[in-house]
Amino acid sequence: RKEVEQDPGPFNVPEGATVAFNCTYSNSASQSFFWYRQDCRKEPKLLMSVYSSGNEDGRFTAQLNRASQYISLLIRDSKLSDSATYLCVVNRNTGGFKTIFGAGTRLFVKA
Amino acid sequence: SQTIHQWPATLVQPVGSPLSLECTVEGTSNPNLYWYRQAAGRGLQLLFYSVGIGQISSEVPQNLSASRPQDRQFILSSKKLLLSDSGFYLCAWSSDNSPLHFGNGTRLTVT
Repeated sequence: RKEVEQDPGPFNVPEGATVAFNCTYSNSASQSFFWYRQDCRKEPKLLMSVYSSGNEDGRFTAQLNRASQYISLLIRDSKLSDSATYLCVVNRNTGGFKTIFGAGTRLFVKA
Repeated sequence: SQTIHQWPATLVQPVGSPLSLECTVEGTSNPNLYWYRQAAGRGLQLLFYSVGIGQISSEVPQNLSASRPQDRQFILSSKKLLLSDSGFYLCAWSSDNSPLHFGNGTRLTVT
């Protein structure tokens, strides 16, 4: 079992739709959490950090459930430009500091 | 502000030739530095990370090596490239427990 797991998708949604991605992590010592976006043939870029109380950045909302060890990303009013791969990322500091990347969820937004 | 530079952007090398990819970070001191590889359509694979000058940790056995001759310089090398070394190589930096920031990547094709 991978330490950070995501549904690989792809998610195919029409413009304007709301789409949600989930991610689970197995190490309860995980400390901080992030969502990254990666466009085709480009480097991953930080989309947003995920805080325990949940946080919102425009059309994007991230939530963390420590008890169930999952993280979610909600995208409202999807745009064509949201098409990308979304990576769930977890930092932990057990046996040394480590950053663990999920394999990503592919999103296609269609007109 | 911090910036990360990685070069070259693309590289085509014959099997058996040497490799040297360079990455430098500006605007921060004593960063954690990382080399990742991403095969086409796959997730990120951590190759090496460094918490300080001369301190290199290898995540997977492979044909590659890394060095950190200066605080903000990280070099990925190979003496003899294999076909399986082809991929998208990404350098990244972070401070402890902060998100990673990636360079633009080097697309390596070994022919």
